[in-house]
Amino acid sequence: AQSVTQLDSHVSVSEGTPVLLRCNYSSSYSPSLFWYVQHPNKGLQLLLKYTSAATLVKGINGFEAEFKKSETSFHLTKPSAHMSDAAEYFCVVSEDSNYQLIWGAGTKLIIKP
Amino acid sequence: DSGVTQTPKHLITATGQRVTLRCSPRSGDLSVYWYQQSLDQGLQFLIQYYNGEERAKGNILERFSAQQFPDLHSELNLSSLELGDSALYFCASSVITGAGNTIYFGEGSWLTVV
Repeated sequence: AQSVTQLDSHVSVSEGTPVLLRCNYSSSYSPSLFWYVQHPNKGLQLLLKYTSAATLVKGINGFEAEFKKSETSFHLTKPSAHMSDAAEYFCVVSEDSNYQLIWGAGTKLIIKP
Repeated sequence: DSGVTQTPKHLITATGQRVTLRCSPRSGDLSVYWYQQSLDQGLQFLIQYYNGEERAKGNILERFSAQQFPDLHSELNLSSLELGDSALYFCASSVITGAGNTIYFGEGSWLTVV
């Protein structure tokens, strides 16, 4: 069975410092993995996705994520945080065999000036 | 702009009432999803339709129902509303492909039950 664990409910970083949002998954098959972002009072926007091509995936707004099968992880990173990155981030896994989406509980990213 | 359109954007209604939320998926997308997001329960998957047929069911209450029409738009009907139904309701759509099921979200419909 699929599952997704976002290891931190809140992450706080200073503006200009690196961001790391952690996500671990379990999947019986070859998964597709996604990160979505939700800014306050806004809808959900796709940041990036992994679908068995390159293991390092680049997304929008300078974010990237690396798929590590041996660690069953798909952590989201950004070299330098910006105030506009303050939002909630969701890690999502999908197995192509059934097309169901399993959502992590979300990580709130707080940016300190 | 994701291409997924939801109406209304905001809705205030009284307990016991019934409302209908509408979703137009992105052009060409056959699958529609409904999600509920509330402060206490987070993001909850409600139901998925694919080309008019129910595909998957999540934590959808019996008071709620949905359908997808031949033109692929979808409606979520919420009846006998309770205060706890106040939430942001998202619709999303996707083209189911073998390369990963990317879904695109609408801006949501804010429902306030008073």
